[in-house]
Amino acid sequence: DVKVTQSSRYLVKRTGEKVFLECVQDMDHENMFWYRQDPGLGLRLIYFSYDVKMKEKGDIPEGYSVSREKKERFSLILESASTNQTSMYLCASSIRILEAADTQYFGPGTRLTVL
Amino acid sequence: KQEVTQIPAALSVPEGENLVLNCSFTDSAIYNLQWFRQDPGKGLTSLLLIQSSQREQTSGRLNASLDKSSGRSTLYIAASQPGDSATYLCAVRQFSGTYKYIFGTGTRLKVLA
Repeated sequence: DVKVTQSSRYLVKRTGEKVFLECVQDMDHENMFWYRQDPGLGLRLIYFSYDVKMKEKGDIPEGYSVSREKKERFSLILESASTNQTSMYLCASSIRILEAADTQYFGPGTRLTVL
Repeated sequence: KQEVTQIPAALSVPEGENLVLNCSFTDSAIYNLQWFRQDPGKGLTSLLLIQSSQREQTSGRLNASLDKSSGRSTLYIAASQPGDSATYLCAVRQFSGTYKYIFGTGTRLKVLA
């Protein structure tokens, strides 16, 4: 079974803090993704990575950066947290970028509250 | 721009009913469509994936169909159980310059015992 783990289930931070969210997958997947999920807005893609050290912006990258130094680990960084970044953050991975059968596997999510 | 819509937003049914959840999308140039289940406060679990060349997929009591020409997919749940209560999301993986899944906002299902 594919396992995607996220470093924290719940996180409370203060405005202006630098925040790191970590995601690790154990199935040697090439692709990894960070989404945020908000009521009424669904899942929105922040960043994705299709290889080590490679990244592409999603729909809402402003205020975020990412790091992928190893294939199994994809980090989301909030350089200076703001209250509008309070959300559920979901990490996902998938095995191939061009396959129609490509399936996304999700982690349990991190609920971040910025005060 | 691809838009994915799920109607209704919420649904409540008595146990044992067969039910259909709907997903519609505006751009038929997709690689696949995936159905997910999400329990409250949790991540998403993949249920079924239908490739663009396929018409339907089945897993246990679940059957998903895809009609690309009309931009629609349905998730059929047979003999619903209280354990099926969750939010169901669909997502399309579209052809585009970048690799993207576009998600609907989900249907929140409650199955009453």
